[in-house]
Amino acid sequence: LAKTTQPISMDSYEGQEVNITCSHNNIATNDYITWYQQFPSQGPRFIIQGYKTKVTNEVASLFIPADRKSSTLSLPRVSLSDTAVYYCLVGGAGANNLFFGTGTRLTVIP
Amino acid sequence: EAEVAQSPRYKITEKSQAVAFWCDPISGHATLYWYRQILGQGPELLVQFQDESVVDDSQLPKDRFSAERLKGVDSTLKIQPAELGDSAMYLCASSPQGQGLEQYFGPGTRLTVT
Repeated sequence: LAKTTQPISMDSYEGQEVNITCSHNNIATNDYITWYQQFPSQGPRFIIQGYKTKVTNEVASLFIPADRKSSTLSLPRVSLSDTAVYYCLVGGAGANNLFFGTGTRLTVIP
Repeated sequence: EAEVAQSPRYKITEKSQAVAFWCDPISGHATLYWYRQILGQGPELLVQFQDESVVDDSQLPKDRFSAERLKGVDSTLKIQPAELGDSAMYLCASSPQGQGLEQYFGPGTRLTVT
């Protein structure tokens, strides 16, 4: 699995758009990029997954440049309930060993 | 919406005692995972099952940890004897076959060893 690097923490005010960038310089051709969200005392929750360009769902958008060496998770108009740890993971579609790292701790401020 | 069930949610045990955790994955999910998460760190995979077979247990401390999924449905993770360093959140997850990047996690069991 490709190693990922993401900021340890970020702060944002309510209502702002938050962008969390993840670096994955060694991503392989068949690797997908996946993001999970984890609230305190809960298991991680799958947010979004993409291969290239842009993916959007009801929760977030994922932007992937052409070289795929990085990706950006975009959370539109965050609220206090978006305070959580966000993990960026990279692996093939059949990958089974998810390496979570330490993630990015997002704190939304009133 | 189907969920992964885990029990107990919290467990306090003394060191050298035995402890067991139970997990019931989402119905139809062939793959089941046990993770350990130490406070402030991301989850680390302990063992992965495909149906009733162990696929990966390379990170499982086999001298004290054991896991089984006898009928390929629910699973049990056991620690014997427990040590102080085993205090952590134990998470169970499941995924449809071939979709290991999209795992569904249970609420976890918070273990405290005293």
